Amino acid sequence: QKEVEQDPGPLSVPEGAIVSLNCTYSNSAFQYFMWYRQYSRKGPELLMYTYSSGNKEDGRFTAQVDKSSKYISLFIRDSQPSDSATYLCAMIKAAGNKLTFGGGTRVLVKP
Amino acid sequence: NAGVMQNPRHLVRRRGQEARLRCSPMKGHSHVYWYRQLPEEGLKFMVYLQKENIIDESGMPKERFSAEFPKEGPSILRIQQVVRGDSAAYFCASSPLSGSPPNEQFFGPGTRLTVL
Repeated sequence: QKEVEQDPGPLSVPEGAIVSLNCTYSNSAFQYFMWYRQYSRKGPELLMYTYSSGNKEDGRFTAQVDKSSKYISLFIRDSQPSDSATYLCAMIKAAGNKLTFGGGTRVLVKP
Repeated sequence: NAGVMQNPRHLVRRRGQEARLRCSPMKGHSHVYWYRQLPEEGLKFMVYLQKENIIDESGMPKERFSAEFPKEGPSILRIQQVVRGDSAAYFCASSPLSGSPPNEQFFGPGTRLTVL
C-alpha cells in the first residue's frame, strides 16, 4: 500500500467550475502538507503549504486538511483552461526533510 | 532572482555510459534535494544534501548512483553504467533552511534522461 494515495484522473471540468482534488495518507507522522502544480514536461510549482487541520485560502485556491481522517483536499474556484495540469499532493513528517508525493491527478479544464 | 537551474534539460545516453546531472539552487539556498519521476509514477525522493554533506540518501539506489554538493559549484547527481530503467525525469529542489516547520522546496525544470 502506498503511503499517499491520489486518484490519477483525468478530471475534466468546464471552465468556471470548481475543481475538487484530494489525497489520503496512511502515516499519522505526516504533519505538513503541500499541493504542487505540474505542467507537462515542467517542474512542480508550489501552490499551497499547510501544517494544521482546517482551511487555508489563497486567491482561487483553498486547501483543507483533516488529520483525524488523514485526508487533504484542494479546491480551485472559477477554473480556467490555464489550470489544466497535473496536481500533486505532498507531505513531510515532523522534523523531516523529504517530500512524499501522491501520484498526481491530471486536470483538464475545457473552454 | 533566478530559480533552481538544472542542466542539461535533456540527456541521451547509451546503456553502460555515465550520466551527470547538475543542479544550481536558488540564490541563498543551501539545501538541495533530488527526486526522480518515472513514467506514469509520482516523484520519489532520492537524496538530500547540504554543502559538502549528504544528509539523507535513503532513496538512492544502492549501486551506480551517487550525489555531491561541493563547497563551490552545483550539486551533481551521477549515474554510472546507465540501464534502460534509469530513463526518467530527475528533479532538483532547494530550500533556504532546514528545521521545523520544514521549509518550502522549490523545484527546477528537471533533466529528462533517456537511455537507449
